[in-house]
Amino acid sequence: GAVVSQHPSRVICKSGTSVKIECRSLDFQATTMFWYRQFPKQSLMLMATSNEGSKATYEQGVEKDKFLINHASLTLSTLTVTSAHPEDSSFYICSALQGAQIYGYTFGSGTRLTVV
Amino acid sequence: QKEVEQNSGPLSVPEGAIASLNCTYSDRGSQSFFWYRQYSGKSPELIMSIYSNGDQEDGRFTAQLNKASQYVSLLIRDSQPSDSATYLCAVNTGNQFYFGTGTSLTVIP
Repeated sequence: GAVVSQHPSRVICKSGTSVKIECRSLDFQATTMFWYRQFPKQSLMLMATSNEGSKATYEQGVEKDKFLINHASLTLSTLTVTSAHPEDSSFYICSALQGAQIYGYTFGSGTRLTVV
Repeated sequence: QKEVEQNSGPLSVPEGAIASLNCTYSDRGSQSFFWYRQYSGKSPELIMSIYSNGDQEDGRFTAQLNKASQYVSLLIRDSQPSDSATYLCAVNTGNQFYFGTGTSLTVIP
């Protein structure tokens, strides 16, 4: 089955620094990847849709200058949290489509970001 | 109205019982339906997909779809403590993919 690798799984950073999270589709090409954020005991919140070779589409209320998304190849999308602050601490999860949407998403293992 | 609605629970069932999880969706044009399981601190894992009316069975899991009622459910037979998790319903409508807020299930030994 489809495998999506996400790295790192956990990261602690100082306030004001930037953190990059990688999402890779290991055995398939993903023209579209998605980035979610999840706060404790809350549901998944779609942040943005990442399209290979073009600009990401951000959901309302998500700052595109703070959450930089790059999808430079068919197997890699990155999310950079710039000038991170404690309120950015959350669980970030990527997902990718293998083929048509009707077959559902495959999720990465998630990244627990803690900003101190 | 939300695209996909689930009862947030928590739902508690004794070990060995049947757990029934329910989900409704708003768009009659929705094409495909999914159940994901999410353990605490982990990312969601796809456990069932269903595309047409009726039942789809996989081991202890049965997904049921009723498009006329815009209703999809997940039954877990012989529930085990390891089934304790949050279950997310997801619906594909055209080019959009919508998740419910999830139902928390606890299976009591």
